[in-house]
Amino acid sequence: DAGITQSPRHKVTETGTPVTLRCHQTENHRYMYWYRQDPGHGLRLIHYSYGVKDTDKGEVSDGYSVSRSKTEDFLLTLESATSSQTSVYFCAISEQPETQYFGPGTRLLVL
Amino acid sequence: AQKVTQAQTEISVVEKEDVTLDCVYETRDTTYYLFWYKQPPSGELVFLIRRNSFDEQNEISGRYSWNFQKSTSSFNFTITASQVVDSAVYFCALSEAVSGGYNKLIFGAGTRLAVHP
Repeated sequence: DAGITQSPRHKVTETGTPVTLRCHQTENHRYMYWYRQDPGHGLRLIHYSYGVKDTDKGEVSDGYSVSRSKTEDFLLTLESATSSQTSVYFCAISEQPETQYFGPGTRLLVL
Repeated sequence: AQKVTQAQTEISVVEKEDVTLDCVYETRDTTYYLFWYKQPPSGELVFLIRRNSFDEQNEISGRYSWNFQKSTSSFNFTITASQVVDSAVYFCALSEAVSGGYNKLIFGAGTRLAVHP
């Protein structure tokens, strides 16, 4: 299994508060991704990174920002959480761009 | 537009039955990759297989087999002699190269498989 951890694994927060989710990998893979999974929508890409300090937007990036200051860490920040951001968030990594391996997920509830 | 369709929302079988999960994709590219992922009740996403568009050979791995047919744009997944541990949501996905070397992964909506004892 690819060495990917996500923290926290569960979080409950209130509307309007900032939230940061962390993805950490021990595989030294170049590419990292953040997805959200919602019923009826499958998995949707939020942001991705193709190297340190190199990031770009996915299909549902509004309300989210990311940072990657080290190869092993990819942070996802909700600047001001809203109830619509209640979801399960998955981080993924890949060395070559084709096959992505996923972390265990973070369940976020915004009240 | 690129799209992955998993028409079967839920499938229920009894243990030891064979079951096939359907996946149909749409793409304009000649080079692409197809994947299957498993999401068991514990929630993690487990990579099962990757197929590139130039390799139409079917693959078998234990009780799992995959049938890739470009002529019908399908990449179906068969579990032989299903077991309770196969109960999960299975996702088919399509990967296409976009600018910057990044490959976009497009997921189907998933098929929930329930295997009953």
